[in-house]
Amino acid sequence: NAGVTQTPKFQVLKTGQSMTLQCAQDMNHNSMYWYRQDPGMGLRLIYYSASEGTTDKGEVPNGYNVSRLNKREFSLRLESAAPSQTSVYFCASSEVGRANEQFFGPGTRLTVL
Amino acid sequence: RKEVEQDPGPFNVPEGATVAFNCTYSNSASQSFFWYRQDCRKEPKLLMSVYSSGNEDGRFTAQLNRASQYISLLIRDSKLSDSATYLCVVRSNTDKLIFGTGTRLQVFP
Repeated sequence: NAGVTQTPKFQVLKTGQSMTLQCAQDMNHNSMYWYRQDPGMGLRLIYYSASEGTTDKGEVPNGYNVSRLNKREFSLRLESAAPSQTSVYFCASSEVGRANEQFFGPGTRLTVL
Repeated sequence: RKEVEQDPGPFNVPEGATVAFNCTYSNSASQSFFWYRQDCRKEPKLLMSVYSSGNEDGRFTAQLNRASQYISLLIRDSKLSDSATYLCVVRSNTDKLIFGTGTRLQVFP
């Protein structure tokens, strides 16, 4: 069981470039989440997906799009990266109705120059 | 005001010490409460849930005071391996997890 996996682990972009962060889980969880973590800000929810085929905005969705490709995979896309999107991005998953037990991936460290 | 507030620390304590972290939350409708642990440059992991009656897991004790909207974590007999950042987490009435910024603990020999 790999749990939650994320790719890439590190990425450097120039302002205006686009990229997609990939996330997959093998725990058969229905719910998946994308967070960003910045110094002094804590983890903030970008988007979440309660089940395959549904996505909803979290606290900081501007500048991001998501796709719940299937039950296992949930991707996060930056269409036109900005320096303010420099952050560590975590994907997480949980069972339905048990949002407390979220299992996190190892994170992607993104720098936008 | 942040929804979940924690003292950022760092707390520097010797091995064997007892250390306590506190956390306050602003939404009285919050449903559930947790402590997560995050090692340096790693992902957060659930440490323990916090129940109204208080709960203990080995050297760790968590308590909740709903009237004061206050959560605590007590670590007894600190080990070097306890060095990490401890995140106070609240589940809102919209079923989202709200994370505090974390309290950093450094245990020294």
